Amino acid sequence: GDSVTQMEGPVTLSEEAFLTINCTYTATGYPSLFWYVQYPGEGLQLLLKATKADDKGSNKGFEATYRKETTSFHLEKGSVQVSDSAVYFCALSGTNTGNQFYFGTGTSLTVIP
Amino acid sequence: ETGVTQSPTHLIKTRGQQVTLRCSSQSGHNTVSWYQQALGQGPQFIFQYYREEENGRGNFPPRFSGLQFPNYSSELNVNALELDDSALYLCASSSGTGSYYEQYFGPGTRLTVT
Repeated sequence: GDSVTQMEGPVTLSEEAFLTINCTYTATGYPSLFWYVQYPGEGLQLLLKATKADDKGSNKGFEATYRKETTSFHLEKGSVQVSDSAVYFCALSGTNTGNQFYFGTGTSLTVIP
Repeated sequence: ETGVTQSPTHLIKTRGQQVTLRCSSQSGHNTVSWYQQALGQGPQFIFQYYREEENGRGNFPPRFSGLQFPNYSSELNVNALELDDSALYLCASSSGTGSYYEQYFGPGTRLTVT
């Protein structure tokens, strides 16, 4: 079945460091891929998405490229800020499962000044 | 534009009891999905409703049931509560059932079963 494997956390970075959170997926067909962020005490917020191979999603300095050849959708940011501290979830929505989302286990990021 | 809202925020129930959680979808959205998020885990899909009909179900027992109303709001009902049902329950709405539609999440209902 469809699934997402996400880099284990927690991750601690200094402010202005480069961030990469790895995400790989298993799916039949051509899924859509998403990154969501969950700040402490809040619900999930959509960060970015990509709906076909080679698409790059971007938002608030974060980027992720849909790589079908490596079944990956890694999240990157060139310079993190303290306000980026949160839990990040990779998710997919498969072509055979409609709008049902499969989430990774989440990666906790803490950015220290 | 009003976002997804959920009620109540927190709930404490005893094992064996029944609970109803409520969700109002974002304006213009006709699809509602429910997820269970255990502590430290990613959300797990429970089921989805599209135009008042169930449109997909995850690996949850029949004691998890739901409804969607003509205004697209939704309820999640859980019967015969078990300790393992303690979790954050998230509702999400979207404007369709295609895989490319993003889902917009509410803040969740924290259920504690004692």
